[in-house]
Amino acid sequence: AQTVTQSQPEMSVQEAETVTLSCTYDTSESDYYLFWYKQPPSRQMILVIRQEAYKQQNATENRFSVNFQKAAKSFSLKISDSQLGDAAMYFCAYRSERGGTASKLTFGTGTRLQVTL
Amino acid sequence: EPEVTQTPSHQVTQMGQEVILRCVPISNHLYFYWYRQILGQKVEFLVSFYNNEISEKSEIFDDQFSVERPDGSNFTLKIRSTKLEDSAMYFCASSRDSSSYNSPLHFGNGTRLTVT
Repeated sequence: AQTVTQSQPEMSVQEAETVTLSCTYDTSESDYYLFWYKQPPSRQMILVIRQEAYKQQNATENRFSVNFQKAAKSFSLKISDSQLGDAAMYFCAYRSERGGTASKLTFGTGTRLQVTL
Repeated sequence: EPEVTQTPSHQVTQMGQEVILRCVPISNHLYFYWYRQILGQKVEFLVSFYNNEISEKSEIFDDQFSVERPDGSNFTLKIRSTKLEDSAMYFCASSRDSSSYNSPLHFGNGTRLTVT
């Protein structure tokens, strides 16, 4: 079974600064997908960024980028130029690459990000 | 942009009562999921559903839980006899494909279930 670990329960960053959220995972599979979801106080789950395991190039989405280290099974999220609206719970998630049946997401325990002025 | 919609947003029920949580997945999606998040804890997988049958279920999804797609649009989660520990936020999600980069899960806003 796959597991996802987020070792930072809480992080804080000043507005306009950069912050990195850590995520490690454990799997015996070679093909899979990794995701970061954001959960603001409204509790909605919003997809931030995604990465395919067979792609070496790190994914980027505007101010959000990842550092994907497949051998180390590490998938960290970097938020540049942090904004007050980035304050939320961030969940790292793993999804198996498996066709034919619905493939679930396995979530980490989350990191609560505070953004200060 | 199409969204997954869930109703109600908040449901309060007494222990032992049956509840049905409703979801309308995105219309061209074929794979459906329920997740649960107890307050302050991580999001946990409950069940996945495809082609009118359960694809996978977690150990949380015991006999008191059931899912159904009663018509072409709704996807429901029924809890037969609620317990206090069922109090949680329940998220419905859907995806177009089973597992692909271009078909991530889209989540609804959740239903907060409170069992008293």
